[in-house]
Amino acid sequence: AQKVTQAQTEISVVEKEDVTLDCVYETRDTTYYLFWYKQPPSGELVFLIRRNSFDEQNEISGRYSWNFQKSTSSFNFTITASQVVDSAVYFCAPPEGGYQKVTFGIGTKLQVIP
Amino acid sequence: EAQVTQNPRYLITVTGKKLTVTCSQNMNHEYMSWYRQDPGLGLRQIYYSMNVEVTDKGDVPEGYKVSRKEKRNFPLILESPSPNQTSLYFCASSLHSYNEQFFGPGTRLTVL
Repeated sequence: AQKVTQAQTEISVVEKEDVTLDCVYETRDTTYYLFWYKQPPSGELVFLIRRNSFDEQNEISGRYSWNFQKSTSSFNFTITASQVVDSAVYFCAPPEGGYQKVTFGIGTKLQVIP
Repeated sequence: EAQVTQNPRYLITVTGKKLTVTCSQNMNHEYMSWYRQDPGLGLRQIYYSMNVEVTDKGDVPEGYKVSRKEKRNFPLILESPSPNQTSLYFCASSLHSYNEQFFGPGTRLTVL
């Protein structure tokens, strides 16, 4: 079964600091997708990014960037110049083999302090 | 507006009283799924459905049933709820399981 580890349960940073959220996964699949989702204090779950295992290029979207390293089975998420609105729980999630089940990590709660 | 709807949003019930939480999507998605969210445990998948009449167990299926008779609907059934099923439930849908999921607003269930 797929295993996802988000070792950081809670992180606090001061506004404008950079912060990296770690995601490590275990898989025997050679082809897979990885996702990040955000859950702000209001409770809704919002999709952030999808990467496939063939594409190891880093991706940047505004203040967000993702570093995918297949060799270390990591898919880390960095927020540059954090803002209070970034305060949320962030989940990493890969589908399991056969693209059926989806396993979420337990999430990392990020608090950005003004 | 493309969306996933869940009803009810809040429910307080008693042990053993059967209940159904409805989920509907208007995006013609093939994949639908139910999750429960509990403090410290993240999101855990209960059941998922690859398409109409195709459902399978997730990681925590005990005590739950689902059905997928129509593409748009994926109700979650608790035949005999127990207090350990008190949780926040999310329904989600995606075009396929490897696409991003769209989540409903959540249903907060309390079983007394």
